Amino acid sequence: EIVLTQSPATLSLSPGERVTLSCRASQIVTYLAWYQQKPGQAPRLLIYDGFNRATGIPARFSGSGSGTDFTLTISSLEPEDFAVYYCQQRTNWPPEFTFGQGTKVEI
Amino acid sequence: QVQLVESGGGVVPPGESLRLSCETSGITFSFSGMHWVRQAPGKGLEWVAFIRHDGTTTFYADFVKGRFTISRDTSKKTLHLEMNSLSAEDTAVYYCVKDKGTTSFDYWGQGTLVTVSS
Repeated sequence: EIVLTQSPATLSLSPGERVTLSCRASQIVTYLAWYQQKPGQAPRLLIYDGFNRATGIPARFSGSGSGTDFTLTISSLEPEDFAVYYCQQRTNWPPEFTFGQGTKVEI
Repeated sequence: QVQLVESGGGVVPPGESLRLSCETSGITFSFSGMHWVRQAPGKGLEWVAFIRHDGTTTFYADFVKGRFTISRDTSKKTLHLEMNSLSAEDTAVYYCVKDKGTTSFDYWGQGTLVTVSS
């Protein structure tokens, strides 16, 4: 089983700051996605296949990385970006999907 | 507008069964692979099961194999999850989720809470 480790667990920041979230895999990952979840809401897809922004996602969100190290960057934090962020991968065969434990971005 | 609406959650004693449903609209259900993903209270996300768009193939997380069954009714655009032998560890919000390219999840329902407790 591929384990995804996200760091840090919590980030305390201010609006306007640049944010870099890390997701490290225990084995090489082919497909990696990022999600945002706000309290009481379902997760929302931000980035898929490593670097593709999902429909309607602002350009301040970007994904990068390959192999075992991936990054989600928010270029300038907006007030609505304070949330928990999860990374997620899919193994090739049989397909199994796992999530990281999440990073909380707080004020 | 995409809508995924789960139902069927509730409180159930350990060892019992429950069937979740997800009514969909705004997606081409017959062309869409679908998943169930769960989230225990205050915890992270956990993938549960996947079914191909045509219903011919299913995959499960190891912790539910043999206990849970994912199925779909294309005529009703509805996804189901039959859950048997439930335990306290299955207590979670269960989300109905649309597959994106079999690599990620692009549309999520609001979830239905399943509580396993005596």
